[in-house]
Amino acid sequence: KAGVTQTPRYLIKTRGQQVTLSCSPISGHRSVSWYQQTPGQGLQFLFEYFSETQRNKGNFPGRFSGRQFSNSRSEMNVSTLELGDSALYLCASSSPRLAGNTGELFFGEGSRLTVL
Amino acid sequence: AQSVAQPEDQVNVAEGNPLTVKCTYSVSGNPYLFWYVQYPNRGLQFLLKYITGDNLVKGSYGFEAEFNKSQTSFHLKKPSALVSDSALYFCAVRDIRNNDMRFGAGTRLTVKP
Repeated sequence: KAGVTQTPRYLIKTRGQQVTLSCSPISGHRSVSWYQQTPGQGLQFLFEYFSETQRNKGNFPGRFSGRQFSNSRSEMNVSTLELGDSALYLCASSSPRLAGNTGELFFGEGSRLTVL
Repeated sequence: AQSVAQPEDQVNVAEGNPLTVKCTYSVSGNPYLFWYVQYPNRGLQFLLKYITGDNLVKGSYGFEAEFNKSQTSFHLKKPSALVSDSALYFCAVRDIRNNDMRFGAGTRLTVKP
């Protein structure tokens, strides 16, 4: 069974640009969560999508947005990039609606964004 | 809202010695508790979880964790550390009422030969 796939793995942008990151969850998983990881702030929850609906949202500015498609694939977008947006962006999937699921997340390898 | 605390930024142990990585949590209701490990430039890998039942939970790579409800703790343990266990470890708690998963700040484990 294929794991969670994130693309691209690495990217470099300049301040003011925008970026879109993609996440393909494990087959059958309908929930996708996004996290930002930085050395200073640790793992910060961005948002969670389930069946194309945003179910939870963390404390990030409106420049950070996401969406989920009918095939459960998800994208997140960051507009007007700032230096502080440099981070590892992690996507995780889970299947909270399946019987017996106990809610562990399965993570992708992440997309490392560098903003210059 | 639920929260997780990992009181140690760094834990150093010698190879072959037992290791403990500490975690305390706060959540309304019954917690779902998890440990994850992260190697450099990789995503997080699931190690083990506590949902209900025995307080001692066994997981991958010889790790185990002890759930203590009165102390609201879920410490990760291993009887004999390996150099390859050196990594960043995260404790997490899921509030089943809102399905929200929150992570601790992480503890960097270094095992020295």
